[in-house]
Amino acid sequence: SAVISQKPSRDICQRGTSLTIQCQVDSQVTMMFWYRQQPGQSLTLIATANQGSEATYESGFVIDKFPISRPNLTFSTLTVSNMSPEDSSIYLCSVPLGDFSYNEQFFGPGTRLTVL
Amino acid sequence: QQPVQSPQAVILREGEDAVINCSSSKALYSVHWYRQKHGEAPVFLMILLKGGEQKGHEKISASFNEKKQQSSLYLTASQLSYSGTYFCGTGGDFGNEKLTFGTGTRLTIIP
Repeated sequence: SAVISQKPSRDICQRGTSLTIQCQVDSQVTMMFWYRQQPGQSLTLIATANQGSEATYESGFVIDKFPISRPNLTFSTLTVSNMSPEDSSIYLCSVPLGDFSYNEQFFGPGTRLTVL
Repeated sequence: QQPVQSPQAVILREGEDAVINCSSSKALYSVHWYRQKHGEAPVFLMILLKGGEQKGHEKISASFNEKKQQSSLYLTASQLSYSGTYFCGTGGDFGNEKLTFGTGTRLTIIP
């Protein structure tokens, strides 16, 4: 398993500002995922972050809005830029562990973001 | 396309059985099941792979019908701790860990 921490755990932000969310893993992992979960909804993948390369974004998500850094194998950040109330969500990072056949994902506790 | 789960919500008494279904419009190579309690992160329950491999929880079982592109999660003799929202996640071929999560099923177990 993996121990994953996220900072901050929650925040309330003003429209137009940016927030950077940190994700720290207690072991080295190749791949990290960033998800968004809107209230009462399922998880939507924002992007895949691999160390040493640019993040790969899913349809509907762009780098200018959600820049991601992955400076090493245990850490990543997601920035939510120029926020609007529609960005109010829980943001979660996750890592797959095990070999490629048993790739269960472990999730961080999430960052609850409210934009006013 | 997001996998569709059914039912959307179900309420059971402790000890009853539940079946949660996950249906995809795309070919499935792997199906993952997660449970999320309110205010917490999703927790891994089970993974089923094309070809029949399974790995997961001792008291929870699941099936994977590749032809029908469906999976079902079976919760027997449900306990209060089983309450939560269940998500299936459909994955790509070996080596592609990216998951597309289903619509979710809220399960409430009452005494």
